[in-house]
Amino acid sequence: SAVISQKPSRDICQRGTSLTIQCQVDSQVTMMFWYRQQPGQSLTLIATANQGSEATYESGFVIDKFPISRPNLTFSTLTVSNMSPEDSSIYLCSASQESSYEQYFGPGTRLTVT
Amino acid sequence: GQSLEQPSEVTAVEGAIVQINCTYQTSGFYGLSWYQQHDGGAPTFLSYNALDGLEETGRFSSFLSRSDSYGYLLLQELQMKDSASYFCAVRDNAGNMLTFGGGTRLMVKP
Repeated sequence: SAVISQKPSRDICQRGTSLTIQCQVDSQVTMMFWYRQQPGQSLTLIATANQGSEATYESGFVIDKFPISRPNLTFSTLTVSNMSPEDSSIYLCSASQESSYEQYFGPGTRLTVT
Repeated sequence: GQSLEQPSEVTAVEGAIVQINCTYQTSGFYGLSWYQQHDGGAPTFLSYNALDGLEETGRFSSFLSRSDSYGYLLLQELQMKDSASYFCAVRDNAGNMLTFGGGTRLMVKP
């Protein structure tokens, strides 16, 4: 198993600014992912964070808006750039081993953009 | 495109059995997972089916029929703490990426 922490747990930001969310895993993992979830709604995959190479983005998400870093096997960051109120959501980090189908999720970062 | 359908809400009483269905249409299929999420909490893994049939883990069981693109989560001996949202998710590639259904909010009443 893996325990995942995220920072910050919540934030209120002004439109036009950027926020970087950190995701720390307590053990080395092969794969890390970033999701977005509106309260009471489903999870939508933003991107797969690849260690040592550029992230792989899902349709509708672009690197300029959501730059992602993954410098090692236990850490990743997601930046929400040039924020607008539509970016208000919960951002979740998850991790899994390549050999496992189970994903472990962090507690999420609740972002409100005013 | 990818789509997963599950009921939005289910209500049941303590001690009862409830079944949450999930139908899917995806371009690829490696397996069907179920996750539980309490309000304000992180999703937690419940089960995974790659092959047809029933998988049992304690009070929870999960079923898959690949020919019908259908699965369900069965919760037995319901407890109040089972009140949560339940998501089915398809692993549609070898890379462990998941596509989630809309979620089913289960309310367990005394």
